[in-house]
Amino acid sequence: DARVTQTPRHKVTEMGQEVTMRCQPILGHNTVFWYRQTMMQGLELLAYFRNRAPLDDSGMPKDRFSAEMPDATLATLKIQPSEPRDSAVYFCASGLVLAGGRWGYNEQFFGPGTRLTVL
Amino acid sequence: AQRVTQPEKLLSVFKGAPVELKCNYSYSGSPELFWYVQYSRQRLQLLLRHISRESIKGFTADLNKGETSFHLKKPFAQEEDSAMYYCALSGKTSGSRLTFGEGTQLTVNP
Repeated sequence: DARVTQTPRHKVTEMGQEVTMRCQPILGHNTVFWYRQTMMQGLELLAYFRNRAPLDDSGMPKDRFSAEMPDATLATLKIQPSEPRDSAVYFCASGLVLAGGRWGYNEQFFGPGTRLTVL
Repeated sequence: AQRVTQPEKLLSVFKGAPVELKCNYSYSGSPELFWYVQYSRQRLQLLLRHISRESIKGFTADLNKGETSFHLKKPFAQEEDSAMYYCALSGKTSGSRLTFGEGTQLTVNP
């Protein structure tokens, strides 16, 4: 049963520290998303990639957040420096977008999330 | 621009009662609509996709293009249905990105 994996599952850090979150998408998926979930804002799209190329990162605070896909099996989201308002659950999701833009059937999966607390 | 609206943040029903979670959308073109469910402290899971026209765990959702709605329904709610439900939209003109609604927290009381 293929699943998206994320590490770490929990992270507590102090303000100003660098935080790196990792995601391993499902093998064969060509689209990877980073979301942030908070009680106040719900699910916010931060960035997403298609075939490792960034398509949209307009949801990220550019001065402190960065997202990359160094290879097809790894996506990273970094926060430097971290701030208390960054405390949230960060989800990675992967899927297969077919030619023409439609999603592959049953091909959208979320990771378990990284629960980040910045003190 | 694409937008998804779930007007109810909280919905509470009794076990065995019908439940309807509302979802309205705006999109220029033919969107794909989805319902995701998130049980307590778990990952989001795809529940329904309008194209597949399935019934999952007793839930159904019909795309109404005239009313731009995709409401989620279940005739008899169960306690294990308590969860956060997100309606989402994807469209070709936006690179197939998913836009989520604000979510509805469903509580089914015994």
